[in-house]
Amino acid sequence: QVQLQESGSGLVKPSQTLSLTCAVSGASISSGDYSWNWIRQSPGKGLEWIGYIYHLGSSYYTPSLKSRLTISLDRSRNQFSLKLKSVTAADTGIYFCAASLRGSGTQDYWGQGTLVTVSS
Amino acid sequence: EIVMTQTPLSLSVTPGEPASIACRSTQNLFDSDDRKTYVDWYLQKPGQSPHLLIYALSHRASGVPDRFSGSGSGTDFTLKISRVEAEDVGVYYCMQRIDFPLTFGQGTRLEIK
Repeated sequence: QVQLQESGSGLVKPSQTLSLTCAVSGASISSGDYSWNWIRQSPGKGLEWIGYIYHLGSSYYTPSLKSRLTISLDRSRNQFSLKLKSVTAADTGIYFCAASLRGSGTQDYWGQGTLVTVSS
Repeated sequence: EIVMTQTPLSLSVTPGEPASIACRSTQNLFDSDDRKTYVDWYLQKPGQSPHLLIYALSHRASGVPDRFSGSGSGTDFTLKISRVEAEDVGVYYCMQRIDFPLTFGQGTRLEIK
């Protein structure tokens, strides 16, 4: 059973960088068994898939965030990270990390989510 | 990007009665190469993260009761609950994964009468 746990900055000022980490247990992020995904849920909106990274570092970012987004792996700590720069209030929401078996796109396992608020 | 549209956005169901949620995509989600339909269904219970119910149109995820079923073809899909139980409350989402970016429907809120 794969378990994921998000952590990071809960309050970010506008124009600054949002940084989150997802700690993985029950699987190795280097194995290739899963792709590692970020999904967010803004207040009053539904779910928005942000992007993924695979074990060799290949990634895909949703076009609307691509210019501001970086997803990376930390193999030594078995975790992956999200950095979103130049944030605005529109980036406020709950951020989930998720694992997709064999990179199928199905989000098989989810973290509990972490709330990020963009405010001065 | 592919847009997923769910109807209704909310429904109230008496326990023991059936429920049905529709999802329509702007592109065909059937892959003729592997003959799979790339639509999944998720449930987000109150205060929880979403979890997988149905993958590839009609396959129940591990531990999902058989009262849940998925069906459809092409661009039109349905999630059915044969007999709603109190624990089924929450928001249901369809999601397409035939193309990036992955996209979700707006969600359908199920409440119990």
